[in-house]
Amino acid sequence: NAGVTQTPKFQVLKTGQSMTLQCAQDMNHEYMSWYRQDPGMGLRLIHYSVGAGITDQGEVPNGYNVSRSTTEDFPLRLLSAAPSQTSVYFCASSYRGSAYGYTFGSGTRLTVV
Amino acid sequence: QQQVKQSPQSLIVQKGGISIINCAYENTAFDYFPWYQQFPGKGPALLIAIRPDVSEKKEGRFTISFNKSAKQFSLHIMDSQPGDSATYFCAASGGADKLIFGTGTRLQVFP
Repeated sequence: NAGVTQTPKFQVLKTGQSMTLQCAQDMNHEYMSWYRQDPGMGLRLIHYSVGAGITDQGEVPNGYNVSRSTTEDFPLRLLSAAPSQTSVYFCASSYRGSAYGYTFGSGTRLTVV
Repeated sequence: QQQVKQSPQSLIVQKGGISIINCAYENTAFDYFPWYQQFPGKGPALLIAIRPDVSEKKEGRFTISFNKSAKQFSLHIMDSQPGDSATYFCAASGGADKLIFGTGTRLQVFP
C-alpha cells in the first residue's frame, strides 16, 4: 500500500549510542519532514527537505542529522543519544510547495536509558 | 516559542454534544490552517483545512471557523460520537513547506 513507512516501530538505546530512524515514501512526494511528539508539547519539527539533496533545520534540530539522497528516503540520525531524546518520532511527506495534506508514518517510539 | 497556541488541553463531551477546540496564532504570514486527528498508536491524519480568505468551512460534522482579525481559528465537531475520541492538533503554515503544530487537545466522547 502507498504511504509513509517508518522503521523500527520501537527502539531502546543507551545514552551515547547512535542510531538511524528510517523513513520511506512511495508517493513521489518532494517534501519530507521529521517531527517529534512529546506529551503537552504537540508535534515539533526537527528537520525537513524540499527535495533530493536539500535539507533544512526545523524548531528542534540539535542532536539530529538528516540527508536526502533520493526522493523516497529521508533517514534521521541520532548522533549520541540522550534521555531528552526519548520521544515518538513521526516522518511526514507531501507534494512540493505544499504543507497541505501531509501523509504521516505510524511513528517510532524511542526510549533512551 | 509557541507560534500556535491551542486550548483546551483536554475535553470531555457527551455523545451528541458539540466539541469546540480553539487555536490562536501570532504570525500574520500564515496562510493555511489545517486540523489533524490522531488515534492512539497512529500518525496524525488530515481532517479539514481552511485558508484565510474564508471565514468558515464545513465538511460533514466538522467545521472550521476562522477570525483573521483576531488571529484565531477553531474546530467544531457537531453531534460528537465516541468514534471521534482522539487527539486533535491545529496547525499553521506560511506558504513555506513546514507546518507548525499546536500542543494538541485530547477529546473524549462518552455515550
